[in-house]
Amino acid sequence: GENVEQHPSTLSVQEGDSAVIKCTYSDSASNYFPWYKQELGKGPQLIIDIRSNVGEKKDQRIAVTLNKTAKHFSLHITETQPEDSAVYFCAASRGGSYIPTFGRGTSLIVHP
Amino acid sequence: NAGVTQTPKFQVLKTGQSMTLQCAQDMNHNSMYWYRQDPGMGLRLIYYSASEGTTDKGEVPNGYNVSRLNKREFSLRLESAAPSQTSVYFCASSASVEQYFGPGTRLTVT
Repeated sequence: GENVEQHPSTLSVQEGDSAVIKCTYSDSASNYFPWYKQELGKGPQLIIDIRSNVGEKKDQRIAVTLNKTAKHFSLHITETQPEDSAVYFCAASRGGSYIPTFGRGTSLIVHP
Repeated sequence: NAGVTQTPKFQVLKTGQSMTLQCAQDMNHNSMYWYRQDPGMGLRLIYYSASEGTTDKGEVPNGYNVSRLNKREFSLRLESAAPSQTSVYFCASSASVEQYFGPGTRLTVT
């Protein structure tokens, strides 16, 4: 089955800095890679996703990059703000199967 | 739209007790899921239902049962709770690849 590794487990940055979270996956058939944000006391919420036919996708201050050859993908947050503080999960799934395998999460702390 | 709702929000059980966690969605999604979240372990799939009338085991199904009551509702039952089932439980639903999560149920088994 799929195995998703996520690093780092904790990331502390100053407001305005950039933050990068990295994930690797094992199943070369995976072709959908979502990122979820979980605020304290809430369920995860999709913030951005990327499919295997795209190398990069951007939405305002967040971007995701995918390297299919190396089987890794990353989340980039620029100009971080205190409200970006949350746990972020990466995931990978195959087309036709809507069952993602999640990474273990990264706790991002943005200091004002 | 309420999205995905879960009841209860908190529960404390004694070892050996049983209980059912309820989940409902109002988005007309075919697929529903139950996850557990433990510190440092991410989200692990317990059971899922790809469509009304079907259920399948996920990564960690032991000690749990599920019922897809209708298209809206998907319940998770602990028949004989154990301390190892202390966790936060999330229900999710999806029409395609994006999953929508409920607010979670925090369960403690003593």
